[in-house]
Amino acid sequence: LAKTTQPISMDSYEGQEVNITCSHNNIATNDYITWYQQFPSQGPRFIIQGYKTKVKNEVASLFIPADRKSSTLSLPRVSLSDTAVYYCLVGSMDSSYKLIFGSGTRLLVRP
Amino acid sequence: DVKVTQSSRYLVKRTGEKVFLECVQDMDHENMFWYRQDPGLGLRLIYFSYDVKMKEKGDIPEGYSVSREKKERFSLILESASTNQTSMYLCASSKPGLAGGGETQYFGPGTRLLVL
Repeated sequence: LAKTTQPISMDSYEGQEVNITCSHNNIATNDYITWYQQFPSQGPRFIIQGYKTKVKNEVASLFIPADRKSSTLSLPRVSLSDTAVYYCLVGSMDSSYKLIFGSGTRLLVRP
Repeated sequence: DVKVTQSSRYLVKRTGEKVFLECVQDMDHENMFWYRQDPGLGLRLIYFSYDVKMKEKGDIPEGYSVSREKKERFSLILESASTNQTSMYLCASSKPGLAGGGETQYFGPGTRLLVL
């Protein structure tokens, strides 16, 4: 399964757009990409999921280029409450337990 | 609202003790997972279960076993706890993905285990 790499930390300010990129060079044809958000003392929470191109929901967008070797989570106009750790996950559609999480990106949003 | 609960938020155990971590989900999900989470390493899969009494090893199963006697309940067992098993343990559940689609996992709040 694809190894995933993401930045350890990022800083931003309230109201800015934040883009977090995850690299997964060896992603397979039947792999999909999911992003999770985790606050201290809580389990991760689903944000968005995609396979290719662009996906958007009420909280985020996910951009996946044609070669699918990376994906970018975009958070529009962040607020202080978006301070959290963000994980990308590459999972296989062939098997529920063939998956790998990135090591997480700690986002700090400043006033 | 979907819910995954874990039996304890914090546990302190001694080396050599047998430790049980319990997880219950109320979403009728077929899949259940146990992960451990360590700083800088993200989440690593210990065991996975896709049905009652069915299990698959994840990436780091050594020193752990699991039990799934009922669909809603998935237990992680540390047969003889060691200090290197001090960690945050997270349980999750999901429905198998539809053809051509991925899965969404729902996580419990985690159990922080300290082995002395």
